[in-house]
Amino acid sequence: QKEVEQDPGPLSVPEGAIVSLNCTYSNSAFQYFMWYRQYSRKGPELLMYTYSSGNKEDGRFTAQVDKSSKYISLFIRDSQPSDSATYLCAMSPLHGSSNTGKLIFGQGTTLQVKP
Amino acid sequence: NAGVTQTPKFQVLKTGQSMTLQCAQDMNHEYMSWYRQDPGMGLRLIHYSVGAGITDQGEVPNGYNVSRSTTEDFPLRLLSAAPSQTSVYFCASRQDLNQPQHFGDGTRLSIL
Repeated sequence: QKEVEQDPGPLSVPEGAIVSLNCTYSNSAFQYFMWYRQYSRKGPELLMYTYSSGNKEDGRFTAQVDKSSKYISLFIRDSQPSDSATYLCAMSPLHGSSNTGKLIFGQGTTLQVKP
Repeated sequence: NAGVTQTPKFQVLKTGQSMTLQCAQDMNHEYMSWYRQDPGMGLRLIHYSVGAGITDQGEVPNGYNVSRSTTEDFPLRLLSAAPSQTSVYFCASRQDLNQPQHFGDGTRLSIL
């Protein structure tokens, strides 16, 4: 079983839809959660990161973390064609003496927003 | 700001050839990493460095070497290229291990 599982999609939605992207994880030591967006033939770019359970909002994007269920989500409101990309979740334990802060990535979900 | 710069962007090699993928960052970040990205596999860590002169293995280190003689540069060497190393390679850096990583735009490598 992979430490981080992410539905690869592809996911296709009409413009203006609310998109929900999800990852589950098995390692209860993960404390640091990120979402990256990757356009075709480009490197991943950081969208959001959080250390805590609950919701974190940034414009049309909301990151949600539920540590008790080992489940994180990224919601995109009023989706736009420019949101079409692959979205990667990533997580790690907080850096300490027993770990080196290595990030573990999900497989990525490909999203297409149709005009 | 240039951020993380990777060269070359594309490369085709024959089996058995060697080459070096270059990575440079201008953010004075101590921590740098190399990943490979394959379909359905996500990003997998090859090697990483926590500072000049210090490197360590990641998840898939076999067939690759790294060195870190300066804070800015972190080259990845393929010693004897194999078709299984056909992939997209990403270099990343971050200020410390509890900060997000910044990625370059990748090197697309094909081994024939």
